[in-house]
Amino acid sequence: EAQVTQNPRYLITVTGKKLTVTCSQNMNHEYMSWYRQDPGLGLRQIYYSMNVEVTDKGDVPEGYKVSRKEKRNFPLILESPSPNQTSLYFCASSLTVGNQPQHFGDGTRLSIL
Amino acid sequence: TQLLEQSPQFLSIQEGENLTVYCNSSSVFSSLQWYRQEPGEGPVLLVTVVTGGEVKKLKRLTFQFGDARKDSSLHITAAQPGDTGLYLCAGEGPWVHDMRFGAGTRLTVKP
Repeated sequence: EAQVTQNPRYLITVTGKKLTVTCSQNMNHEYMSWYRQDPGLGLRQIYYSMNVEVTDKGDVPEGYKVSRKEKRNFPLILESPSPNQTSLYFCASSLTVGNQPQHFGDGTRLSIL
Repeated sequence: TQLLEQSPQFLSIQEGENLTVYCNSSSVFSSLQWYRQEPGEGPVLLVTVVTGGEVKKLKRLTFQFGDARKDSSLHITAAQPGDTGLYLCAGEGPWVHDMRFGAGTRLTVKP
């Protein structure tokens, strides 16, 4: 089954404790991205990757890091999480960039205390 | 400020009613996508519109892309409780790397 898998689905943690949210897709997609979803603001892109070893900032990259060492994986790293990073996070992938349907994971709800 | 403005933000209707939700921008999009998101899940693509004036139908859902490719609408005929969800529009504009999303319309259809 074609899917984008995120882990964990839920996480409550404290300020400053490094965390990683993993994302894996099994569709051999080139393009992957991370979004955060906040009430009234919709989905805002954090980082994206057009292919292996190619990553770039989206609209709200501050406080986040990503890596793309393999085509299928695109982890999101919060080196020193802060309460304003409490949000619902989605990983997405598409075959290529532009005019392509994005396949989303089921989301990761992060609470930073 | 949202690049894509969706209206209304919230809509609650009875089963069987018709409704229209809107997605507007001052920017021109090369394509526009509509997604539906249910609680606890990620958005799922409903349709992509590409040509100005294009109309696409998906069962009881009708999607229209404005002639100037700056706006779009989604019309649902005889809404059912299963249509309940957050409807998001996303436009591909002059940026080459992403789709920009609106904040969504949260639709509730009551039995």
